[in-house]
Amino acid sequence: GEDVEQSLFLSVREGDSSVINCTYTDSSSTYLYWYKQEPGAGLQLLTYIFSNMDMKQDQRLTVLLNKKDKHLSLRIADTQTGDSAIYFCAETSDRGSTLGRLYFGRGTQLTVWP
Amino acid sequence: GAVVSQHPSWVICKSGTSVKIECRSLDFQATTMFWYRQFPKQSLMLMATSNEGSKATYEQGVEKDKFLINHASLTLSTLTVTSAHPEDSSFYICSALAAGTYNEQFFGPGTRLTVL
Repeated sequence: GEDVEQSLFLSVREGDSSVINCTYTDSSSTYLYWYKQEPGAGLQLLTYIFSNMDMKQDQRLTVLLNKKDKHLSLRIADTQTGDSAIYFCAETSDRGSTLGRLYFGRGTQLTVWP
Repeated sequence: GAVVSQHPSWVICKSGTSVKIECRSLDFQATTMFWYRQFPKQSLMLMATSNEGSKATYEQGVEKDKFLINHASLTLSTLTVTSAHPEDSSFYICSALAAGTYNEQFFGPGTRLTVL
């Protein structure tokens, strides 16, 4: 089945940049997503990128996609303590009978130190 | 923006009882809703896909008779955990696909179930 991998932990100092990495195996991925989950809460969509794009920037967030290597990254500039959360990488494809089904990584716990 | 609500946000029940969790799309129609289960510090595990007006599609290893899903309208799906046991304690999250799209999926805030 589809496999999405992420490192589990990342710690940074406030004001530094954070880079969270993700790899996936599905070559037919169409959209790739980054979600943020704060303790006890549901998932908040941060950004997504279509598979034919290399980069997408949205304020402090930059998404880079290397489709050849099936590697996705999320860079958070000027990381703040409020950015501390779990970040999930997810992908979806046209393959399969369930349109819109997401495949999630295990999540990266980002801790921001003041 | 699109909002998905879940009710209740948390529930504590005795072993052997049944618990119903509601997932509602508040300002859009959702032909498809997904139910996930999340254990502490784990990723989301897809349990089933709920399509309005038809039977839910369950993932392998998920007991359909234990986790009853009903998607009676374009704005409401329910998950009923029947004869709950302590091992069913978990965080249950639903998401909804906006009708007419396949990439806009909106998540509910989750329901924390604790079975004593």
